[in-house]
Amino acid sequence: AQTVTQSQPEMSVQEAETVTLSCTYDTSESDYYLFWYKQPPSRQMILVIRQEAYKQQNATENRFSVNFQKAAKSFSLKISDSQLGDAAMYFCAYSDDKIIFGKGTRLHILP
Amino acid sequence: GAVVSQHPSRVICKSGTSVKIECRSLDFQATTMFWYRQFPKQSLMLMATSNEGSKATYEQGVEKDKFLINHASLTLSTLTVTSAHPEDSSFYICSARKGTVLYGYTFGSGTRLTVV
Repeated sequence: AQTVTQSQPEMSVQEAETVTLSCTYDTSESDYYLFWYKQPPSRQMILVIRQEAYKQQNATENRFSVNFQKAAKSFSLKISDSQLGDAAMYFCAYSDDKIIFGKGTRLHILP
Repeated sequence: GAVVSQHPSRVICKSGTSVKIECRSLDFQATTMFWYRQFPKQSLMLMATSNEGSKATYEQGVEKDKFLINHASLTLSTLTVTSAHPEDSSFYICSARKGTVLYGYTFGSGTRLTVV
């Protein structure tokens, strides 16, 4: 069965600094998708970034980028120029049909 | 962009009664819908997957007789919690997908259920 592991329950970063959230996953599939979702206090799930496993190029969305290492089954999220609005719970997720979430990392932004 | 509407956002019901939660895709046809449960400070746990016109597929450990899922149209799925008990109190979230994973997932805003 597929699993997603986020080993950092909480992280803090100074405003304007860069932070990296870690995620590893396990699967025997070769074709799948990876996601990072943000869940603010409103609990609405917001897509931050997605990566198709068949693409070697790392996905980038403005201040958010990923480091996708397919062989190592690693999918980390880098947030540059952290802003107060980035404070939230971040979930790494895997999908080849249904979506499976990691336990999440709570990110605190220090002013 | 794709929008999923979930209602109600909050509901309080008495123990032993049933409560229905609706999940609607407003601007796309959702061939597949998913229901999740989220306990405080925890991750989303997939409860079941439903395809339009078919019976829902439940995850291991989820009571299908307690959590009734109906996906009667391409824009509406419902989750009915039957004979609710305090331990069913939780945050329930739905998500919808237009086709394959390629099209991504759109999430509803969630329903906080409190059983008293």
